[in-house]
This record gives sequence, C-alpha cells and structure tokens, in this order.
Amino acid sequence: DQQVKQNSPSLSVQEGRISILNCDYTNSMFDYFLWYKKYPAEGPTFLISISSIKDKNEDGRFTVFLNKSAKHLSLHIVPSQPGDSAVYFCAAKSEGGSEKLVFGKGTKLTVNP
Amino acid sequence: KAGVTQTPRYLIKTRGQQVTLSCSPISGHRSVSWYQQTPGQGLQFLFEYFSETQRNKGNFPGRFSGRQFSNSRSEMNVSTLELGDSALYLCASSLLAGGPTDTQYFGPGTRLTVL
Repeated sequence: DQQVKQNSPSLSVQEGRISILNCDYTNSMFDYFLWYKKYPAEGPTFLISISSIKDKNEDGRFTVFLNKSAKHLSLHIVPSQPGDSAVYFCAAKSEGGSEKLVFGKGTKLTVNP
Repeated sequence: KAGVTQTPRYLIKTRGQQVTLSCSPISGHRSVSWYQQTPGQGLQFLFEYFSETQRNKGNFPGRFSGRQFSNSRSEMNVSTLELGDSALYLCASSLLAGGPTDTQYFGPGTRLTVL
C-alpha cells in the first residue's frame, strides 16, 4: 500500500521553463512534507518542506504547494536549470513524534539546455 | 559543520555472511534513522534511534538490527545476507527527535552488494 505516490516517473523540460513535480498521499495523518533531490550514488539532499498548516512555502527558485483537501502537493522550479536534473523524491511525516519518512518512488527530472 | 558520514561507502559480501554499517550524524543531532533504497521498492524506512533507544521500526525481518551509542553514532547490522539485501543503505540525522518540523539530513549511503 503506497501512501505517497509520484505518478510521473520522469519529466523533461527546457532550460528556463517551469518544472512542476507532483505528489499525492493517502494518509491523512501526514502533517509535514519534504522534497529531496538525489543524484546517483549519493544520499538525498533536502530541498524544501511544508507543514500541513500552510499551503505554500517558497525558497528561491523552489516553491512547494500543498492542497490538503486533495491530499496533493507539488514542487515548482522556476526557472529550471540543467543542474536541476536529478531524481526528486516527495516524503511525508506523520504526527506522533516519529522521524519516519514515507517516500514516493521519485520523479526523474531532465532539464535540457 | 560536517554532514552525515557513513562507512564504508561500498561493500561486497556473499550470501549467508553478516555486515555492519556505520553512521555518524551531524554534530548535535540526536536522532538517527536508516533507510534502504532499491530500484524496485524505492526508499524504505528501516528504523529510528534516539537516545540509544529504538523508537520506530519499519517492516523488515529480524535479520536487520541496529543500535545507537551515547555519542549518537549508530550502526546497523544485517545477518545471514540474502541476494535481495543488495541496496543502498542510507542514514539520516535530525536535530530534535519528534519535532513536527524537524528535517532529516542524509549521508551519502553505503552501497551493499551481496553475491
């Protein structure tokens, strides 16, 4: 039972355009969401997060939107750069004090020059 | 400030052997979690330690175990290795265990290959 889903295994965009990565979740107990970026043979790098009490969080070129009623979040990257090419993971954490993260399967983003 | 470090980075073992992986969290971080990444299953939670106590455990067999030391360093052990244990094992640390906005920072991982 996959509680966090990233339905697009891959996404290709042109440099300078917007990249939109989507994530859906099923567990209503999730109250904190994170996006990580990962290169092959490296550990995930934290990008941006959002608490369930917010609907938007912005950090430079990265913005995360949360729609709690739809159990959906998205990561927007504007403008996209070739160095953004990596696998992006959505992760969720539930209330209750545990640090356990539940990850989606990832979306491979390719930004073409 | 140094990041999360994991040793060794690469390991090759044969079926039936056991292996111990080590993780040093970011200085001051008290919570350490372990994850397994495989192509088929993605990133899956193994266990979490805080103050030398296992606080949460994922759905893995008892062959997978871990511990945390008083300096927050952690080790995980896999006994009686199987081919399916080949994976990237990732360690993550966070500053305050249980805080709703704690962020986990990951190490580079240990690539385990079981032959």
